[in-house]
Amino acid sequence: DTGVSQDPRHKITKRGQNVTFRCDPISEHNRLYWYRQTLGQGPEFLTYFQNEAQLEKSRLLSDRFSAERPKGSFSTLEIQRTEQGDSAMYLCASSSRGGPKQNTGELFFGEGSRLTVL
Amino acid sequence: AQKVTQAQTEISVVEKEDVTLDCVYETRDTTYYLFWYKQPPSGELVFLIRRNSFDEQNEISGRYSWNFQKSTSSFNFTITASQVVDSAVYFCALSDLSGGSYIPTFGRGTSLIVHP
Repeated sequence: DTGVSQDPRHKITKRGQNVTFRCDPISEHNRLYWYRQTLGQGPEFLTYFQNEAQLEKSRLLSDRFSAERPKGSFSTLEIQRTEQGDSAMYLCASSSRGGPKQNTGELFFGEGSRLTVL
Repeated sequence: AQKVTQAQTEISVVEKEDVTLDCVYETRDTTYYLFWYKQPPSGELVFLIRRNSFDEQNEISGRYSWNFQKSTSSFNFTITASQVVDSAVYFCALSDLSGGSYIPTFGRGTSLIVHP
């Protein structure tokens, strides 16, 4: 199966530690998104990439968060100095079809990486 | 700014009942897209449908149907003859160009529980 894959699926860490999540999108997709989902809430947009370029970042993405997509393939989301409020499911999604004003938002999601900060 | 409201937090029905999930949206754009996604207990969101703002035709796919009404800014989702496998959280989403590119904004979701 060549769907969106995320790693690790679960991560438990202590407050103050750094964590990194990886996302491998569907191979032919040029757009990659990161969302965060907390219990009882819908996914909240964090950032997205068009190929290797990070085109938009949400205000939710504090300075402790950084995302990269080298070579326009897989992406990593790093959280530095984790806080308990960072505990959430981090969702990656990908989509294809053209540039920012052509892709209308049909996303293919991975199963998510659940972060628990103690 | 775009906004999606799903007022129903949780709906509980018995198998074979029909159920409607409500979605109300806000946008200043005339061109926008509406979506429904399903999130089963396994966690992976699954795309169900996309509608654009210029197509108000209702759509039916098997037991699923969608009612798009621009006059009330609503995009409701009906499951006919519900089944236990329909139990999931359903999210309505909206994308427009308010931020310069189409990035879906999701509602808080409606948890549907179908009892046997």
